[in-house]
Amino acid sequence: DIQMTQSPSSLSASVGDRVTITCRASQSISNYLNWYQQKPGKAPQLLIYAASSLQSGVPSRFSGSGSGTDFTLTISSLQPEDFATYYCQQSYTTSYTFGQGTKVEIK
Amino acid sequence: QVQLVQSGAEVKKPGASVKVSCKASGYRFTSYVMHWVRQAPGQRLEWMGWINAGTGNTKYSQKFQGRVTITRDTSASTAYMELSSLRSEDTAVYHCARDLLPSGSYTYGYWGQGTLVTVSS
Repeated sequence: DIQMTQSPSSLSASVGDRVTITCRASQSISNYLNWYQQKPGKAPQLLIYAASSLQSGVPSRFSGSGSGTDFTLTISSLQPEDFATYYCQQSYTTSYTFGQGTKVEIK
Repeated sequence: QVQLVQSGAEVKKPGASVKVSCKASGYRFTSYVMHWVRQAPGQRLEWMGWINAGTGNTKYSQKFQGRVTITRDTSASTAYMELSSLRSEDTAVYHCARDLLPSGSYTYGYWGQGTLVTVSS
């Protein structure tokens, strides 16, 4: 299976900050990389698919970039509702593995 | 709008089986693949398998092969995931998730609310 590694595992940030989360795949996955947001007690929500495409209804402050093995999720100006855990997921090949998650907390 | 509503929480003994349902609405059920993803406490999200709701074809993660069965009832727009030979490590929240695209992209565009399955003697 392809291993997905996120960094950092957690971060503290303030409202208005620019936040960057990194995801690295153990082998090349082209642009088959998705990002999800999960709030406590809720199901994950798709934010970005195919590395850089914004899912319908997701605010434009979220963006994604990268290809091959290295990917980035950026929140341009952190809002109170963005405090959550973020996961990357590769959709290149079975078993469509996820990263371990990055928890974004209030500073 | 797309909605996936799952059945309620379950408590099972080791060795038993559990069957979780996922009722879909707001789209043509048979046009999309439905995935099952689980999240055990402190563990990362984990894909278990999928079913093509139109053809009934399935594919399972090797990790769960032989223990998981995914089915669907097109007349009820409902998908099911059955996991057998339960052990304590199967305690988790189980989600159904509809594929983003009709062609199948292994991207989880819409999620059910999750069903907590607790395995305990």
